[in-house]
Amino acid sequence: QLQLQESGPGLVKPSETLSLTCTVSGGSISSSSYYWGWIRQPPGKGLEWIGSIYYSGSTYYNPSLKSRVTISVDTSKNQFSLKLSSVTAADTAVYYCARRVTISRTSDAFDIWGQGTMVTVSS
Amino acid sequence: SSELTQDPAVSVALGQTVRITCQGDSLRSYYASWYQQKPGQAPVLVIYGKNNRPSGIPDRFSGSSSGNTASLTITGAQAEDEADYYCNSRDSSGNHLLVFGGGTKLTVL
Repeated sequence: QLQLQESGPGLVKPSETLSLTCTVSGGSISSSSYYWGWIRQPPGKGLEWIGSIYYSGSTYYNPSLKSRVTISVDTSKNQFSLKLSSVTAADTAVYYCARRVTISRTSDAFDIWGQGTMVTVSS
Repeated sequence: SSELTQDPAVSVALGQTVRITCQGDSLRSYYASWYQQKPGQAPVLVIYGKNNRPSGIPDRFSGSSSGNTASLTITGAQAEDEADYYCNSRDSSGNHLLVFGGGTKLTVL
């Protein structure tokens, strides 16, 4: 079955760029039925949507993070990636990648999630 | 942008029924999806659309929607249902921007 796996550094220095990759296995990232997203969760807090990408490269970002976020897709490697620039301690969180399935014009959901990766911003 | 509001905490006696709600303007136009998250684990989708359960989710979980409020109901709550629950939907703008509720901590007594 389809699986997602996040990878990347667990420690990033303040003001630097956080970079994570999500590898999709057991299925193709190029399916027209799905978007692919990044969600994060600071310690002890709730979930925050960061952004989503379609296999064609169309992107959608959380307005509160838009100026610092870039999400890209590499269909040849069946991967999509997150870059978050100018990080501060407030960006310390577990970062999840997930598949978003569109059920209808008014309904969609994150149906498959990666296990998450903890990223700490500290000098 | 829009927001989704959830009660921070709800409790239910073992075997009883509990409803967890999510309020937001976008829910007048879009269905919510609901996620269960246990400590140290990734979220798991439990309800999506009008009232759909992914394979493997017990039928004691159900969803409904009215006006600006979406609800997740657990009929006959079990000890293993103790978890955080999050709702998620599109932003009111309708252009694939998404928003999560703040989450509800469910305690099964």
